[in-house]
Amino acid sequence: DAKTTQPTSMDCAEGRAANLPCNHSTISGNEYVYWYRQIHSQGPQYIIHGLKNNETNEMASLIITEDRKSSTLILPHATLRDTAVYYCIVRVSAGNMLTFGGGTRLMVKP
Amino acid sequence: GAGVSQTPSNKVTEKGKYVELRCDPISGHTALYWYRQSLGQGPEFLIYFQGTGAADDSGLPNDRFFAVRPEGSVSTLKIQRTERGDSAVYLCASSLASGTDTQYFGPGTRLTVL
Repeated sequence: DAKTTQPTSMDCAEGRAANLPCNHSTISGNEYVYWYRQIHSQGPQYIIHGLKNNETNEMASLIITEDRKSSTLILPHATLRDTAVYYCIVRVSAGNMLTFGGGTRLMVKP
Repeated sequence: GAGVSQTPSNKVTEKGKYVELRCDPISGHTALYWYRQSLGQGPEFLIYFQGTGAADDSGLPNDRFFAVRPEGSVSTLKIQRTERGDSAVYLCASSLASGTDTQYFGPGTRLTVL
């Protein structure tokens, strides 16, 4: 699976949009971009995934660049409960395991 | 509906002892995964089951680790002759099938080896 690069940490003001970047410059055509988050002392929680097109669900939006070498997870109105480690993962279509990197520690501040 | 459950939530044992960690996947999910997470790191893959069989056990660190899923539902991760380095959170996840189906994680079992 392609390697991903994320900032180690980010801050966001409560009520503002949180934009979390991820670089995956070696991604190949059959690899999906997945985002999970892990709130302290809990298991990882699925957020969203995509292949080429931008995706939106009730939790977040995923913007993938046209060359697919990077993506951005957007939490439109961050709350204190969104404080967590956010993992960007690239996964082959026929793959099974998730390969987690270090993730981005997002701190939402009042 | 009910999510993935794991028992116990915490396990403290002594070096050299044997432990079993249990995972109850979401009902109807045929794929089951075990991961291990050390402090400050992301989860690392251990083993994947499709039904009753271990389809990929390439992440198991050594032969002290073993996992079973005899009826294609509940799975047990077994660790023999535990070592202090085995201390970690052991996470279980399940998905409807394999491939890119979304994996849903349980809360984990925190194992401490004294």
